[in-house]
Amino acid sequence: NAGVTQTPKFQVLKTGQSMTLQCAQDMNHEYMSWYRQDPGMGLRLIHYSVGAGITDQGEVPNGYNVSRSTTEDFPLRLLSAAPSQTSVYFCASSTRGGTGTEAFFGQGTRLTVV
Amino acid sequence: GEDVEQSLFLSVREGDSSVINCTYTDSSSTYLYWYKQEPGAGLQLLTYIFSNMDMKQDQRLTVLLNKKDKHLSLRIADTQTGDSAIYFCAETPYSSASKIIFGSGTRLSIRP
Repeated sequence: NAGVTQTPKFQVLKTGQSMTLQCAQDMNHEYMSWYRQDPGMGLRLIHYSVGAGITDQGEVPNGYNVSRSTTEDFPLRLLSAAPSQTSVYFCASSTRGGTGTEAFFGQGTRLTVV
Repeated sequence: GEDVEQSLFLSVREGDSSVINCTYTDSSSTYLYWYKQEPGAGLQLLTYIFSNMDMKQDQRLTVLLNKKDKHLSLRIADTQTGDSAIYFCAETPYSSASKIIFGSGTRLSIRP
């Protein structure tokens, strides 16, 4: 199993450009989430989904859109990139079980907006 | 509200024990977790504890939970250079099984 796959690994955008960060999981997990990681701030939740067709906002949703048309895929769209969106982005999938909600993370996308 | 706090840095000598501390605010948290992030990688679950437990041991790792004080700690015995990483405390609120709230992470560095 591949687990959680994120693409691209690195990206440089100009201010105002748009792009989509891809995330796919092959574990049939119902929950998927996007986080951003900034120095000293841990992981902040951007958007999450509890199943296909259902998404909700996290802590820092502004400037980002998501959709969940299938169980496997959860793309994150930056509508008009800003320097404040320079960060490392992680996608995670999880399922509820006897060990709580264990999240499996992708390798991350390092995004720089200039 | 939901908030998880940790100190940002910890330095220990190789072979000593490391203790990483965390406080959280949501008293309804059902599960609490420790994740490890190695350089350039995503996070991996190290261990977890259910909220009705006060201690869990797993090889070199010991998790202590003080529910009254909302304090969680991770002890790593016989710390090795391979333990260098960022350690995140996290919780799942009772109100939302799909959300995991992370702390800011503690960077553990090992000195010889």
